[in-house]
Amino acid sequence: EPEVTQTPSHQVTQMGQEVILRCVPISNHLYFYWYRQILGQKVEFLVSFYNNEISEKSEIFDDQFSVERPDGSNFTLKIRSTKLEDSAMYFCASIYRGNTEAFFGQGTRLTVV
Amino acid sequence: SQQGEEDPQALSIQEGENATMNCSYKTSINNLQWYRQNSGRGLVHLILIRSNEREKHSGRLRVTLDTSKKSSSLLITASRAADTASYFCATDLGGAQKLVFGQGTRLTINP
Repeated sequence: EPEVTQTPSHQVTQMGQEVILRCVPISNHLYFYWYRQILGQKVEFLVSFYNNEISEKSEIFDDQFSVERPDGSNFTLKIRSTKLEDSAMYFCASIYRGNTEAFFGQGTRLTVV
Repeated sequence: SQQGEEDPQALSIQEGENATMNCSYKTSINNLQWYRQNSGRGLVHLILIRSNEREKHSGRLRVTLDTSKKSSSLLITASRAADTASYFCATDLGGAQKLVFGQGTRLTINP
């Protein structure tokens, strides 16, 4: 069964460093998303991406965050200068078209120290 | 905000019993989805119910949606230890719009 894959599964970084989280969405899907989940809390929307541009972003997704789909298969989330409060599980998701189920990856656990 | 509460926050039952979790939301929605999350792992899609549907089944899962009360319930029948997980509902406004998640219910099935 097709799945969304994310790498790495766990990343530890120093505060102020840049990180890039990688995702390979399901190949025929057209809409891509990043969500995050701080430990013990609910899943929060960060950004949606369609047709090579951001469709919507949340208040969390400030200038420190960016997304890219560099080669038609990967979908990346970059955090330019990480803060302690960026520590969370980051999930990538994709959907084929509107009003269908979203498929999530296994997540990248980001720990900022 | 689009999303409301899920209840209970935690539920512990014996294997073989049925588990019911509830989700409420605040605004009109197009779709409501239920997801399962095993501890520290990814979100697994369980079922999607559209705003014009009232009930949906998938194996041991039964989901209801009451748009007049802005609420949904997930029933897991004949629970198994492997059902131990957190369960989240998520709503969207249609199209390919973002999902808004509830706080989740932590379900523990005791053998």
